[in-house]
Parts: sequence; C-alpha cells; structure tokens
Amino acid sequence: GQNIDQPTEMTATEGAIVQINCTYQTSGFNGLFWYQQHAGEAPTFLSYNVLDGLEEKGRFSSFLSRSKGYSYLLLKELQMKDSASYLCAVTYYGNNRLAFGKGNQVVVIP
Amino acid sequence: KAGVTQTPRYLIKTRGQQVTLSCSPISGHRSVSWYQQTPGQGLQFLFEYFSETQRNKGNFPGRFSGRQFSNSRSEMNVSTLELGDSALYLCASSQDSPVNTEAFFGQGTRLTVV
Repeated sequence: GQNIDQPTEMTATEGAIVQINCTYQTSGFNGLFWYQQHAGEAPTFLSYNVLDGLEEKGRFSSFLSRSKGYSYLLLKELQMKDSASYLCAVTYYGNNRLAFGKGNQVVVIP
Repeated sequence: KAGVTQTPRYLIKTRGQQVTLSCSPISGHRSVSWYQQTPGQGLQFLFEYFSETQRNKGNFPGRFSGRQFSNSRSEMNVSTLELGDSALYLCASSQDSPVNTEAFFGQGTRLTVV
C-alpha cells in the first residue's frame, strides 16, 4: 500500500471546528481526494487537491502540502449531519485507482 | 441522471459457494472500479475496468475476478467463498479515470458468508 494514515475517531460539539489529517507517501503522488461516508451509505465526494494550498467549499476546506505528504480536511460550524466517516484517498501516477486511508469517524454531539 | 446501481444490496452465502455482484455505472461513464470495505481494513481496491479491459488490479487472490461489458456495466465474481470475504463491496464509476475526476459510488452490496 501507500501508507495512507488517518486518525480513527474524534468527537466534537455542534458549532465547533474539527481538522482531520491525512499523511501519505510522496513518491509518484498525483492528487488527493476527500470523501464523506455516512453509516450504511455510499461515499460521496467532498474535495480534490492536486496543487499545494487550501481549497475552500462552504463549511469544508481541504489543504495539501505535496512536499510534506500531508493533507487536512477542515470542517467548520459543525452540524449533527456531519457525523460520518471522512476518507482520504490518494492517486499515484501510473495507477488507475484510489488508495484509501482507513477513514476518520467524526461524531458530533449537541 | 441515474446514479450508480449495485445489485443485489444484500447477500448471504455459505463457505465454498460463489457469488456474482453487478454494477451499472452512470450513463456515459466508462471506468468502473471495485472496492472491498471492512471495518478493520477500510476500502481496499480490487480492480478497475475501462472499455471492457482491466486496467489495474489490487492485491486480492485469484478467487476475485471481474469483467466489464460493452455497455460499461460490470460484474465481479468471488469463487470458493471464505468467511473473511464478508464485507461491503462498493463499485465506483468515473468518466474516464478515477485518478483525476470525481468517482461516484454505488450503495454497495453487503455480502455475508456463513
């Protein structure tokens, strides 16, 4: 595998901000996706980063540092419906596949 | 436009049996990827098909196989089922490649091997 690491679980309060980190091997790196998966449902696309920097989309932002092999997903103004697993997926040159981390379970409490 | 459709949604099989799962991608999408999802391992890549050709294969035993038809629909087959094959099997469709465009996932087929 490509050693894609994510922390496993975190709990946060409604209205708070959480940051979910993802690290990966940099050799051959092409791009990085973030997906959200609610329990019992299909993963859905959140963001795609290929260049260094921050991509903002409403309450969700994703950051990439290609040289450090590091990305994070920032969830702001947390809502109960944000309780889900957040999956980091990396693509490498020459591979038509998404290499997923094990996902980070976020639990939002009132 | 219709999403990715996987059938069946649930399956219970006995050890040693074989199973075939089906995936219909979004209309116009030519790439179909298959993943196995378990609580311990997360999503693991099985294979990817494009225009009826397998372009990439993950590290699964030969009991896992697949194919893609001319209408881009795909099937995967698992022979001689083992208890450890119990998992959620997800398929994802992309326009041309999952590498640099959004992949759309189906709801999955939950396979239980008893």
